[in-house]
Amino acid sequence: AQSVTQLDSHVSVSEGTPVLLRCNYSSSYSPSLFWYVQHPNKGLQLLLKYTSAATLVKGINGFEAEFKKSETSFHLTKPSAHMSDAAEYFCVVSDKDNFNKFYFGSGTKLNVKP
Amino acid sequence: DAGVIQSPRHEVTEMGQEVTLRCKPISGHNSLFWYRQTMMRGLELLIYFNNNVPIDDSGMPEDRFSAKMPNASFSTLKIQPSEPRDSAVYFCASIKSGGLAGELFFGEGSRLTVL
Repeated sequence: AQSVTQLDSHVSVSEGTPVLLRCNYSSSYSPSLFWYVQHPNKGLQLLLKYTSAATLVKGINGFEAEFKKSETSFHLTKPSAHMSDAAEYFCVVSDKDNFNKFYFGSGTKLNVKP
Repeated sequence: DAGVIQSPRHEVTEMGQEVTLRCKPISGHNSLFWYRQTMMRGLELLIYFNNNVPIDDSGMPEDRFSAKMPNASFSTLKIQPSEPRDSAVYFCASIKSGGLAGELFFGEGSRLTVL
């Protein structure tokens, strides 16, 4: 079975500084990987996804993530945080044998200080 | 497209009452998922349907929970009888499955409080 580990449950940054949210996955093959964002009292929204094309994936709102197979990582970054980025972020891996099986990380809450 | 539509957005009920949550997936999507989100357990998959057929219900907590998908545009999640520990936000999500893994589209959730 696949699994996802989000290394930080909470991250706090100042507005205008870089954001790094860490994600490691376990998989015996090249998986499909996703980052979702959840704003308060909202559903989850896709930020970006990796499906074995370019290893550096660009998403919405200036976010990007790099797939590193050797490190089994898929960290999410943004050069400059905005107050509106404050939300919870979920790293997700899908099952190669069953593309309807999604494994969610436990989430990282991002706090952005003015 | 209106996205995944869930109702009610908020439900407050008393222990022992029946609760029915509803979901309309995005038109053309052939897989539908029910998730539950709590502070303690995070996001849990309860059940998913493919082409209206339940494929994996191993996440359904117990017999008090049941889910149906009578057609491609409607699904229900029922809890009978409800208990305080069922208090959570319940999300419905849909996807057009087939080929590479696609994007899950989530509804805004139904927040259930059982007193």
